[in-house]
Amino acid sequence: DTAVSQTPKYLVTQMGNDKSIKCEQNLGHDTMYWYKQDSKKFLKIMFSYNNKELIINETVPNRFSPKSPDKAHLNLHINSLELGDSAVYFCASSQDGQEAEAFFGQGTRLTVV
Amino acid sequence: ILNVEQSPQSLHVQEGDSTNFTCSFPSSNFYALHWYRWETAKSPEALFVMTLSGDEKKKGRISATLNTKEGYSYLYIKGSQPEDSATYLCAANDYKLSFGAGTTVTVRA
Repeated sequence: DTAVSQTPKYLVTQMGNDKSIKCEQNLGHDTMYWYKQDSKKFLKIMFSYNNKELIINETVPNRFSPKSPDKAHLNLHINSLELGDSAVYFCASSQDGQEAEAFFGQGTRLTVV
Repeated sequence: ILNVEQSPQSLHVQEGDSTNFTCSFPSSNFYALHWYRWETAKSPEALFVMTLSGDEKKKGRISATLNTKEGYSYLYIKGSQPEDSATYLCAANDYKLSFGAGTTVTVRA
């Protein structure tokens, strides 16, 4: 079983559309994250949820809205997609605490045309 | 977000040679330093999590050291093999992981 799974793996969509990326973890972790890999290959944190509650919300356009129906799921919904949203988005999860390693999903490559 | 820097950005090493590269991070309010290995078309996987200055961690031919006072960590690869080719990410953790840009290692046979 995949520990952290994201769907879809690839997503091609037109500007202006609304799309969602789903993430599920079966590790029993309390904390989940969304990262964006930018054009320079940096991994930048977007959001972090702990036990379904938002704890980190970095400077991200409010077109991006995370939803955590339960602590095993953290979905990313994006409204009014723009060309600049094209990137690879990674979901991750970890136990609580700074020493806890993060487990990453395989990434979702979003292409906005 | 913490400013985490890695150098060099990329390096090539001959099979069998050893190599090392650096991660620097803000030394104040330090909590933990993570190293991840990221192979092409895969997702990052944790190598080490380090918290104590002077600590050294080892996994096979890969090891890492940490200096929290001066804010740096080294990752060493001894006797590089082609399967060591990957991007190595470090991340400082102060409630969230702030990643460096990575060092891409290419091992030539």
